[in-house]
Amino acid sequence: QVQLKESGPGLVQPSQTLSLTCTVSGFSLTSYNVHWVRQPPGKGLEWMGRMRYNGDTSYNSALKSRLSISRDTSKNQVFLKMNSLQTDDTGTYYCTRVVRKSYYFDYWGQGVMVTVSS
Amino acid sequence: DVLMTQTPVSLPVSLGGQVSISCRSSQSLVHSDGNTYLHWYLQKPGQSPQLLIYRVSNRFSGVPDRFSGSGSGTDFTLKISRVEPEDLGVYYCLQSTHFPYTFGAGTKLELK
Repeated sequence: QVQLKESGPGLVQPSQTLSLTCTVSGFSLTSYNVHWVRQPPGKGLEWMGRMRYNGDTSYNSALKSRLSISRDTSKNQVFLKMNSLQTDDTGTYYCTRVVRKSYYFDYWGQGVMVTVSS
Repeated sequence: DVLMTQTPVSLPVSLGGQVSISCRSSQSLVHSDGNTYLHWYLQKPGQSPQLLIYRVSNRFSGVPDRFSGSGSGTDFTLKISRVEPEDLGVYYCLQSTHFPYTFGAGTKLELK
């Protein structure tokens, strides 16, 4: 069945770089798009960016200068790297799947909580 | 960016009752391909969001027919009839017509 699972450090120091991995199963990264969405504690959802089935990427302009998304199709993994972290980057980070040309997130990972603190 | 305005912020309901949630966008959500990419999600406490309605009015697999979506252009509504305990949580609308994708701020459905 379709599964996505985020992994990464729970604690990152301010000004450091966040590295997260989304490991997927039940579908191929060369046929589906994977997006990243984050949620500060007690707040709403923010779209961060996407990795398309063909390897192209798109980013939220608010984060573009700090954000990079890549993948390893042989390992069924999508990676998120974001630098210059600040305390307001604290939150839960989700990876989610999009069927091509559907434009909606149908399956989500469980999320990984990231705290930015010294 | 497209601003998604959801109302109300909080929505008290009695079990078995009916409620409506509004989502308005700052610009038309009609895509150049003719489709309208407005979707609805429910996030239960401690869980990831789950898809309820896609492209305005289509129920996702397994979603009961108590949930219905309607609207066009910039004005959209989610209706929930015969509310059950498992319907409680925060509802979000999402637009994916324009980049960046943007969510509404959420509507918390809670018991009266």
